[in-house]
Amino acid sequence: ETVLTQSPDTLSLSPGERATLSCRASQYVDSNYLAWYQQKRGQAPRLLIYGASSRATGIPDRFSGSGSGTDFTLAISGLEPEDFAVYYCQQYGSSHWTFGQGTKVEIK
Amino acid sequence: DVQLVESGGGLVQPGGSLRLSCAASGFTFSSYWMSWVRQAPGKGLEWVANIILDGTEKYYVDSVKGRITMSRDNAKNSVYLHMNSLRAEDTAVYYCVRVQWVSNGFDYWGQGTMVTVSS
Repeated sequence: ETVLTQSPDTLSLSPGERATLSCRASQYVDSNYLAWYQQKRGQAPRLLIYGASSRATGIPDRFSGSGSGTDFTLAISGLEPEDFAVYYCQQYGSSHWTFGQGTKVEIK
Repeated sequence: DVQLVESGGGLVQPGGSLRLSCAASGFTFSSYWMSWVRQAPGKGLEWVANIILDGTEKYYVDSVKGRITMSRDNAKNSVYLHMNSLRAEDTAVYYCVRVQWVSNGFDYWGQGTMVTVSS
């Protein structure tokens, strides 16, 4: 099983600042199968990024994904009030999916 | 619009059974893999099960193998999660999700249904 470790666990930032979230895999991940999700309190998660760097439908361009192999990054340029939430990375491989433990982006 | 609506959650005793249902609409259901994802209270996301287009292949996270099975009925645009021998650690919100063609990401989620396993 591929374990995904996200860092940091919590990121405290102010609106307008840039957020950089990391996702490290215990083994190689095909970048075609690396995704990022946003979850707000009391809501279902929402797909943000798929294929490591492609934005899902309706996702603003302040969200960007990058990386390959075992190291992936989600960046949010210019945090808006609605961006404070929990973010999860996810990978697919060998007919199974795993999620990272999540990074909470909170208002400083 | 794509919609996924789960039902069937509730309170069940340890060792008991429950069947969750997910009704899909707004897309060609038989053309998509479907999965279930769960989230224990205050915890992260865990993929539980996946089923391919015609239902002939299913995959499960190790912690539920032998206790939980997934099925689908393409005529009814529905997927199901049959849960047996339930344990306290199965307590979670269960989400029905659609698997995206291109990336195998989960592009649509239901609102979730709560399952509580407690005596």
